Formats: sequence, C-alpha cells, structure tokens
Amino acid sequence: KQEVTQIPAALSVPEGENLVLNCSFTDSAIYNLQWFRQDPGKGLTSLLLIQSSQREQTSGRLNASLDKSSGRSTLYIAASQPGDSATYLCAVRGRDDKIIFGKGTRLHILP
Amino acid sequence: GAVVSQHPSRVICKSGTSVKIECRSLDFQATTMFWYRQFPKQSLMLMATSNEGSKATYEQGVEKDKFLINHASLTLSTLTVTSAHPEDSSFYICSAEQGRSVDNEQFFGPGTRLTVL
Repeated sequence: KQEVTQIPAALSVPEGENLVLNCSFTDSAIYNLQWFRQDPGKGLTSLLLIQSSQREQTSGRLNASLDKSSGRSTLYIAASQPGDSATYLCAVRGRDDKIIFGKGTRLHILP
Repeated sequence: GAVVSQHPSRVICKSGTSVKIECRSLDFQATTMFWYRQFPKQSLMLMATSNEGSKATYEQGVEKDKFLINHASLTLSTLTVTSAHPEDSSFYICSAEQGRSVDNEQFFGPGTRLTVL
C-alpha cells in the first residue's frame, strides 16, 4: 500500500531564504507526482506535475525534482516571500490509478 | 488550465438532514470525477471514483448508502451526504479528469466545507 510522507510537518524561515520541502513514497511504481499548495480553509492549487519519466519541473521560483527509484521528491522554493506561507501537499498517482496525498508541510515565511 | 467548480463553498446543516454538493467541470468533459475529504490537519483521502453513466466505486470504509454519488453527465457529479451527523463535518473536494489516460492531470475544485450541528 502506497504511503506518502512529508518532512518536516512544519517549517518557519525568514523571508528571502531558499528552502526545500521533502516528500517520500514507499512504492516507486508511480505514474506521476504532483505538488499542491493549500491555503487555510481553501482548496488546492496545483503547483507542479512531474510525470514518472521526468526528473524535474520548474515554474518561476519553484523547482520540483523526482527520484522515482529512491521514492523521493523535493520542492525547492527560491527567495521565499510571506505570500508563500501555506501548506504544501505532495501527491503520487500509483499504478492503481489512485492519488495518495501526504499530510503536508505547513510553511510560514517570517517577514 | 481546466476549471472545476464546486457548489456550495460552505454549508451548515442540522444533524439528520441531507446535503448535496455539486462538482462541475467548466470547460472540459470529465469522464471521471473523484471525491475526497479532508479532516482538520489530515491529508486528503479519496472517498470514491465516479465514471459518467455508471455506479461510483467507493474506497474501503466509505459508506456508499451514506455518501450518494451521481455522475449523470460529463460535466457534473454530485455528492449527497445523507442523514448527516457532526462527525461528517469535513472539507470535501472533488477533482475531474479529462479522458482516461494515467498521464492525465486531475483538476481540483475549490472545496466545500460542511459543518453539521
């Protein structure tokens, strides 16, 4: 059974710093991995989608990498801003076609 | 990108009543829609998968008679929480997929917060 773990559960960093969020999954047989942002009480905003054949995707200040063989993904945020404060969720789509979410990392950027 | 809407965004109801939540794909036809729920400080959990014109497939532990799902058209799926109780209070999110390829991206709705008094 696929399990998705995100570390750390919470993170506070000063504005301007670069940071890395981690996601690990137990079953490497995945179709894709997706990073989302969720603001308090709100729905999901898709940030980056990485297909299993890809190693990374970039969008603006965000870069996500995927190492399928080791069951890991990282989300790199450059030059963090207070507006980046949110919960970041990692989700993998497995061979059973289901999407499994991690519990998320609550990020707080200190002004 | 593709847009998925949900209605209502918030609903408060009394215990024992039924609540219907709509999920619509606005600019594409969704062969498959998914329903998730999220309890406070927990991850999203898949409840059921619905394919247009057929019965929904429910995940283990989700009562199909309590959470009625109807996917009557390629742009609309509804989730009805029957005889709602306070423990059903949660954040319900739907997603929709165009076509049926595993490379397809799922597009998520904004969610519906249900509070049962």
